Amino acid sequence: RKEVEQDPGPFNVPEGATVAFNCTYSNSASQSFFWYRQDCRKEPKLLMSVYSSGNEDGRFTAQLNRASQYISLLIRDSKLSDSATYLCVVNPADRGSTLGRLYFGRGTQLTVWP
Amino acid sequence: ETGVTQTPRHLVMGMTNKKSLKCEQHLGHNAMYWYKQSAKKPLELMFVYNFKEQTENNSVPSRFSPECPNSSHLFLHLHTLQPEDSALYLCASSQKGGGTYTGELFFGEGSRLTVL
Repeated sequence: RKEVEQDPGPFNVPEGATVAFNCTYSNSASQSFFWYRQDCRKEPKLLMSVYSSGNEDGRFTAQLNRASQYISLLIRDSKLSDSATYLCVVNPADRGSTLGRLYFGRGTQLTVWP
Repeated sequence: ETGVTQTPRHLVMGMTNKKSLKCEQHLGHNAMYWYKQSAKKPLELMFVYNFKEQTENNSVPSRFSPECPNSSHLFLHLHTLQPEDSALYLCASSQKGGGTYTGELFFGEGSRLTVL
């Protein structure tokens, strides 16, 4: 079983739409969770961390459900500039390392059209 | 100028060639990484260096040989590669502070490698 499984998409939505991405992880001891964004032919960049209580950053809301080992990202009022691949990322706690031993999902591709 | 710079951006090599990828970070971070990104696959961690010491080798074949002369520079030496090694190779850096890790990796733009 893969460490991180993501809804593969692609998602094609009009401007202004609300879109949600889902992700599940296999290691129940995982401690920290993130969403990264990768534009076409560019490097991944941190979008936001995901906290147990859920967190919001402008139009973006991330939620974590530890019981179901499930992470989500909600984008409201989509903009053309939101078109990218969104990567679900998990830091497993059992590696014993506090460095970047991150597991990446394959990513979900989003295209926002005018 | 980006915080993490990779050269070359594109590389085509034959299976018998020897080449190197270079990464430099200007962020003052103390950890550097090599990741591999293949089409339709998730990013795969290859190597981790913490203060120039290799702390992780994720079962990478010996035809990939990393070198970290200081905490700002990282190399990936390539020799006798296979066509299936064609991929985007991403360098990243992070700051480990106080025993915790923020989860933010700063990536370079990558070196796109094609092995013929």
